[in-house]
Amino acid sequence: QVQLVESGGGVVQPGRSLRLSCAVSGFTFSDYGMFWVRQAPGKGLEWVAVIWYDGSKKYYGDSVKGRFTISRDNSKNTLYLQMSSLGAEDTAVYHCARWHANGWWDYWGQGTLVTVSS
Amino acid sequence: EIVMTQSPATLSVSPGERATLSCRASQNILTNLAWYRLKHGQSPSLLIYNASTRATGVPSRFGGGGSGTEFTLTISSLQSDDFALYYCQQYNTWPPWTFGQGTKVEIK
Repeated sequence: QVQLVESGGGVVQPGRSLRLSCAVSGFTFSDYGMFWVRQAPGKGLEWVAVIWYDGSKKYYGDSVKGRFTISRDNSKNTLYLQMSSLGAEDTAVYHCARWHANGWWDYWGQGTLVTVSS
Repeated sequence: EIVMTQSPATLSVSPGERATLSCRASQNILTNLAWYRLKHGQSPSLLIYNASTRATGVPSRFGGGGSGTEFTLTISSLQSDDFALYYCQQYNTWPPWTFGQGTKVEIK
């Protein structure tokens, strides 16, 4: 069955960096675009970044543009999110999600919590 | 950017009762709308896509409707598993992909 498992979250000081991973199984990873999305405490879902199936295109939300980098390793079935210059506003649960060819997001991971605090 | 607005923010419903959630788009998104359910500690799950099509394995008590700018999610008879957060999302015009602010369905 399709599985997406995030890891790499934790407590990090403001201004530092962190890399999240999303390990997938149960489908051909290289056939799908992938997303990162986050939910801050008490807030709604916010799209963070997207990467095409082959890594050829990437887009970022305005709040993370220039600070976060999405990437993937299709040989390892893993999606990444490199986060830098972290601030308190980046505290959230970060989920990865699979992009169905027709537009919706059909599978999500459980999420990994990132807490930015001194 | 397309702004998605959900109402109400919180819906108090008794088990077995019907719940109707609303979602409005700031522009015409045709039927390019999905509904997701979030429960604490679990992976978010896709309920509805293309505004009215149930995702694989989703019970028939979930129904979606609407087109253009006005959409609804109806849960015909609430079960214990349905008390959760629900989000609508548009995938008609991107980036960005945008969500409503969510509706919390709680036990009355």
